[in-house]
This record gives sequence, structure tokens and C-alpha cells, in this order.
Amino acid sequence: KNEVEQSPQNLTAQEGEFITINCSYSVGISALHWLQQHPGGGIVSLFMLSSGKKKHGRLIATINIQEKHSSLHITASHPRDSAVYICAVWFGNEKLTFGTGTRLTIIP
Amino acid sequence: DAGVIQSPRHEVTEMGQEVTLRCKPISGHDYLFWYRQTMMRGLELLIYFNNNVPIDDSGMPEDRFSAKMPNASFSTLKIQPSEPRDSAVYFCASSLARQGFWYFGAGTRLSVL
Repeated sequence: KNEVEQSPQNLTAQEGEFITINCSYSVGISALHWLQQHPGGGIVSLFMLSSGKKKHGRLIATINIQEKHSSLHITASHPRDSAVYICAVWFGNEKLTFGTGTRLTIIP
Repeated sequence: DAGVIQSPRHEVTEMGQEVTLRCKPISGHDYLFWYRQTMMRGLELLIYFNNNVPIDDSGMPEDRFSAKMPNASFSTLKIQPSEPRDSAVYFCASSLARQGFWYFGAGTRLSVL
């Protein structure tokens, strides 16, 4: 069964802290997306990865295929990083499943 | 390129009416996706197209929903007849590949009264 689980559901941190958001999935996948959705509602793609690690500015995404797990890290967090972060997984049967999202709040 | 363009941004209609949502993908992108987002169910993939051909419509909730892509620069999602439970934000996205980086439109917020 294609299942995706994100943790934590909510995360509050102080500005400058290192942030980690997790995404676990049940069976083999072909690709995983990380998305960001600000309170205004628009969705922005952050990363698409199928192996290894990608970095863009203060954001880092990693995936461990053997452990069926991906992490999104934010270094030197800032209030503008406050958003909902969503992972989306393409399973091997070509079905796409979304996680329920992690609501991140960064306090100045 | 102006990005993915969706219209209208907001739609309020009465139950039983037909609703048509529109999407213009980024030029040159071969894939177009329609998603729905609700508080209860989160984000869901409804249907996606490759080169204007529907590839997977298994996410379309029922026969009241239909989607078309008559050409590479335009797609519609139609709900007929609409019901209050269809109230949601509908997003369109395009990409160069099925598992490629997604570019989202701003979304259409639909309210069915």
C-alpha cells in the first residue's frame, strides 16, 4: 500500500535554529518532491530527488532509498521560512501520494 | 514566460451549476497536472496529461468531474453538476517530465453554496 508519513505535524523554532522535517514512505519509489506553501496559499516546488542529496541556498534535501526516508533541512532558519512543507512521492506503480504536511513557525 | 496561469482565481457558485476551471501551462512543458486541496484530505492528484493526452485520471473523484487538454497551451477542469463538497482550492502545475520539477499556478478557490 502506498503510504506517506510526515513528521512532525507542527514545529515551532527560534530564528537561527537548524530545522529538520521528515518524510517516510512504505514501499519503493521512483521520485520524491518537497513543496512549500506559505499562508497566502501558493505552492512552490523546492526539490525533486530520487537519490542522494540536493542543496539550494539554506535548504538541503536528502533521501535514503534503503531506509525509505527523506529529510528536508533548513539551516539558519528565518521567519520567512514559516510555511507548510509537504512531501509528495511517486511510487513504483506510478501513483503519486502526498504527505499531510508539516507546519513550520519560526519565531524572531 | 509568465508561469502557469489559472483562471478564475476565485469562483463562487450554487450547487448544481457547472463550473469550469482553466489552466495555461508553461510553454514547452509536456506534462500538466491538476490537483485539489482541502482541509480534510490535503493535496490530491486528480489527473495528469502528457502531450495533451490524459495519462492517469484515477484521482478524479467521480463522473461529475472531467478534464480536457485540447492543445499544448490550454487545459480545463469541469465539474457538472457541482456540489458543496467540491469546495476546495484547485491547482494546476506543469513540468518538463512526469517526475520533473513542478511549476504551480496560483490556484482557483472554488466555493459551492
